[in-house]
Amino acid sequence: AQRVTQPEKLLSVFKGAPVELKCNYSYSGSPELFWYVQYSRQRLQLLLRHISRESIKGFTADLNKGETSFHLKKPFAQEEDSAMYYCALSTGGGNKLTFGTGTQLKVEL
Amino acid sequence: SAVISQKPSRDICQRGTSLTIQCQVDSQVTMMFWYRQQPGQSLTLIATANQGSEATYESGFVIDKFPISRPNLTFSTLTVSNMSPEDSSIYLCSGLGAGAGELFFGEGSRLTVL
Repeated sequence: AQRVTQPEKLLSVFKGAPVELKCNYSYSGSPELFWYVQYSRQRLQLLLRHISRESIKGFTADLNKGETSFHLKKPFAQEEDSAMYYCALSTGGGNKLTFGTGTQLKVEL
Repeated sequence: SAVISQKPSRDICQRGTSLTIQCQVDSQVTMMFWYRQQPGQSLTLIATANQGSEATYESGFVIDKFPISRPNLTFSTLTVSNMSPEDSSIYLCSGLGAGAGELFFGEGSRLTVL
């Protein structure tokens, strides 16, 4: 069965510091990975997906099949990055998602 | 992008009662799903809401406990039946957009069962 692991419940960094939110997955097939974000008092929304290989709000994530990881990175954290971040794995052709437990990112001044 | 509206946004319910959550999307989404997020835990998929037919439930979830309807492409309901305190949770409606894996979420319905 598929599984997504986010080892950190809370990550605190100072503004301007680099950020790395860890995500590891377990899946025997070809994975599609996503990062979703939930800002305070807002609904959960898609941040980025690995197939797009894009940078959104300065965040990037590279799929490493050897390490079964999809870590989210940003070189310089901003206060507005404070949010809950969920890593998700799609196994149904992009339809059904398995979510990790989430990491609360707190960017301090 | 799709906008998904859910109601109620929150409710406090008595043990043994049932509550129906409604979900409306403002555009046609290809698929609709219901998730549960228990306190301190991640989102867990309950079922896929199929238009005009029975929902497809994930392991651990059954129709008698979580009956789901989807009479048309833009509307779905989830009922939490015979509630117990363990059903206290946030229930989220979501719809699949055009891009693979791009789910749009409602704001969630926070249920507290006493």
